Amino acid sequence: GENVEQHPSTLSVQEGDSAVIKCTYSDSASNYFPWYKQELGKGPQLIIDIRSNVGEKKDQRIAVTLNKTAKHFSLHITETQPEDSAVYFCAASMVNFGNEKLTFGTGTRLTIIP
Amino acid sequence: EAQVTQNPRYLITVTGKKLTVTCSQNMNHEYMSWYRQDPGLGLRQIYYSMNVEVTDKGDVPEGYKVSRKEKRNFPLILESPSPNQTSLYFCASKSGDLYEQYFGPGTRLTVT
Repeated sequence: GENVEQHPSTLSVQEGDSAVIKCTYSDSASNYFPWYKQELGKGPQLIIDIRSNVGEKKDQRIAVTLNKTAKHFSLHITETQPEDSAVYFCAASMVNFGNEKLTFGTGTRLTIIP
Repeated sequence: EAQVTQNPRYLITVTGKKLTVTCSQNMNHEYMSWYRQDPGLGLRQIYYSMNVEVTDKGDVPEGYKVSRKEKRNFPLILESPSPNQTSLYFCASKSGDLYEQYFGPGTRLTVT
């Protein structure tokens, strides 16, 4: 089955700097890669996603890149703000409109230092 | 407001006492799923349902049951809870023809 590894497990950056979180996946059949943000006491919230036919996607300060050959994808947050502090999870899925199980990484706790 | 709701949000119970965690979505989604979240392990799928009366096991189904009698509801049943089922549980749903999955707020279960 799919295995997703995520690094680093914790990350502290100065407010205004950029943060990068990296994930690798094992199953070349995976074709959908979402990123979730989880704040304390809340459920995971989808913040950005990318499909396997795209190499990069950007939404304001957040971007995701995908390298299918190397089987890795990354989340980039620019101009970080205190409200970006949270736990971030990457995930991989093979969307075939059957069981679209998300296989999650183990999470990155991001702390923005004011 | 489009959302996935779970009840209860917090539950402390004793070993062997049957319990049900409810999940409901108001988005008319076909696909629903349960995950558990444990420190250092991320989220792991317990059961999923592709539509009414269609359910199947995920990666960690032991000790759990589910049912899908209505499209909007997908309860998680623990017939005889044990301490190793102490965890944070999330329900998720998605439309059958879209990619995005949406998660509920979570249920923190403690079994003593």
